[in-house]
Amino acid sequence: RKEVEQDPGPFNVPEGATVAFNCTYSNSASQSFFWYRQDCRKEPKLLMSVYSSGNEDGRFTAQLNRASQYISLLIRDSKLSDSATYLCGGSSNTGKLIFGQGTTLQVKP
Amino acid sequence: EPEVTQTPSHQVTQMGQEVILRCVPISNHLYFYWYRQILGQKVEFLVSFYNNEISEKSEIFDDQFSVERPDGSNFTLKIRSTKLEDSAMYFCASIDGKYGYTFGSGTRLTVV
Repeated sequence: RKEVEQDPGPFNVPEGATVAFNCTYSNSASQSFFWYRQDCRKEPKLLMSVYSSGNEDGRFTAQLNRASQYISLLIRDSKLSDSATYLCGGSSNTGKLIFGQGTTLQVKP
Repeated sequence: EPEVTQTPSHQVTQMGQEVILRCVPISNHLYFYWYRQILGQKVEFLVSFYNNEISEKSEIFDDQFSVERPDGSNFTLKIRSTKLEDSAMYFCASIDGKYGYTFGSGTRLTVV
């Protein structure tokens, strides 16, 4: 099993839609979890950390399910500016961050 | 907001040449990392650095690679003899021991 695995997409959704991404992780990437956003040829930027209790930041909600070893990101009321690649990341017990290959979202007018 | 700064933004080099990629991490951060991303592929861990020494390195980080923190502010990645397959975006990141890495804007390395 890959350390961190994501469906690469692309997810093509209309403006205003709700879209959800899932990501699975293995034991080697199971300390802390994050969602990053990456625009084309740019650096990853932290979108949000993911906690067991779930967390919400505006239109974005992240959930962690340790029993099933997956994390999710929900985006409500999608905007054109949400078009990007969303990287799921899990940190190992040595502190390194392991990324999935990213899920591409394209929001269309 | 504090930033991780990387220079140059783009470097073109001939195969077999040495390159040094430079990074200035956030000043109060303690852990430093290099990652790379080959075009169209995922962001991959190369090496982590703490307390002036390598704390972990990946299989990619072979003898051709080295890192250094020469003066307490800069953090450099050296590739001794570049290969075509070293062409990638190289990202530096730093963290203060808590959650959330901050990445620099990257250096695009093109080996010709």
